Amino acid sequence: QITLKESGPTLVKPTQTLTLTCTFSGFSLSTSGVGVGWIRQPPGKALEWLALIYWDDDERYSPSLESRLTITKDTSKNQVVLTMTNMDPVDTATYYCAHGIVTTILGAGYFDYWGQGTLVTVSS
Amino acid sequence: SYELTQPPSVSVSPGQTARITCSADALPKQNAYWYQQKPGQAPVLVIYKDSERPSGIPERFSGSSSGTTITLTISGVQAEDEADYYCQSVDSSGTWVFGGGTKLTVL
Repeated sequence: QITLKESGPTLVKPTQTLTLTCTFSGFSLSTSGVGVGWIRQPPGKALEWLALIYWDDDERYSPSLESRLTITKDTSKNQVVLTMTNMDPVDTATYYCAHGIVTTILGAGYFDYWGQGTLVTVSS
Repeated sequence: SYELTQPPSVSVSPGQTARITCSADALPKQNAYWYQQKPGQAPVLVIYKDSERPSGIPERFSGSSSGTTITLTISGVQAEDEADYYCQSVDSSGTWVFGGGTKLTVL
């Protein structure tokens, strides 16, 4: 059974760096064709893909946020960490991590299991 | 940048067929995926690779693709299908993208 859970601060101040941890079970991030991604959703708004790390250490980022994001993995701990720098109130959102299945050489795929999400509020 | 465009809302009566479209702004179109999200819950995958249905998803959910348009069809809509639906794909550079979402209202 695959499960994922996000953890991190619920409140951050503007200009601070956000660090979120996704702790998962039921799969290994060293298995070919597997990835873990981060997606966020501002209150009342649409899903926005942020980043993905693949089993082979390849990383992909949203072009609009790439300069602020870093995704890393610790396979031994079954964790994926996302850092986002220079937080702003517009970054207030529920942040999800999800298990990804890669279906093409290009690295395309989908998310078949999601964490429950964690609401992060950016405010002074 | 690659964009997926969905109608903001679709309304149907119970038992009718709902069709939600997702238009990609460029070719080639990669496979598309659909997620259902109910209020306060995480998204759930309902269609993958344009038309495949994960185990546990009712048969009334189906997907199709034509040109740059992907369609999610829900046949015999039930009240429990009321939710937001998001399409997702990947562009030619490997960037994952979500559509803007469609709110399905069951009248």
